[in-house]
Amino acid sequence: AQKITQTQPGMFVQEKEAVTLDCTYDTSDQSYGLFWYKQPSSGEMIFLIYQGSYDEQNATEGRYSLNFQKARKSANLVISASQLGDSAMYFCAMREGTSYDKVIFGPGTSLSVIP
Amino acid sequence: SAVISQKPSRDICQRGTSLTIQCQVDSQVTMMFWYRQQPGQSLTLIATANQGSEATYESGFVIDKFPISRPNLTFSTLTVSNLSPEDSSIYLCSVLNSDRDNYGYTFGSGTRLTVV
Repeated sequence: AQKITQTQPGMFVQEKEAVTLDCTYDTSDQSYGLFWYKQPSSGEMIFLIYQGSYDEQNATEGRYSLNFQKARKSANLVISASQLGDSAMYFCAMREGTSYDKVIFGPGTSLSVIP
Repeated sequence: SAVISQKPSRDICQRGTSLTIQCQVDSQVTMMFWYRQQPGQSLTLIATANQGSEATYESGFVIDKFPISRPNLTFSTLTVSNLSPEDSSIYLCSVLNSDRDNYGYTFGSGTRLTVV
């Protein structure tokens, strides 16, 4: 069964607007971590933000924030003030448990920023 | 965060041959991870490589096809054997940074493999 779901294959946003990329996950572990990565057309994987399952506050990193709703098992990425350089694939990922650091990735969302 | 040097960046190989991909990390890490990214797809974990022990393979991946070497805490290789066009993908290595909350996992720049 799919553990990470990203229901938006492609998204468009106007430059300088905010955009939310959806991510839902499935796990029975109490301890887990959630990540967002950006992959531009160059292919590199760029770490954006991390949210631990026990973190009480939503993670923020510059223009990126993670809207963590534990009961709903969702971890949406919010990008504020979109820039043309934000056009890329965005992957939500999850690490389960504490002793084994395997990470699984969602299918990704392609974001296009329109000038 | 860790810095990974991954080689080669790309290669075109004949079917039936093998390609070995190298990843060198600038710090010692316990586990290294190897991923495959097929065209237009997400990343799929192939295996986890621990130093001093055999790699742990995910379902659908076998050691005969994807042998992994992990001779020390800073280096690993992935070989893709008996190549077929279906193996055409990007292959990436990854390590977990010691401060996972701030830096997450670092990835190599990837190896773009085309099998002809």
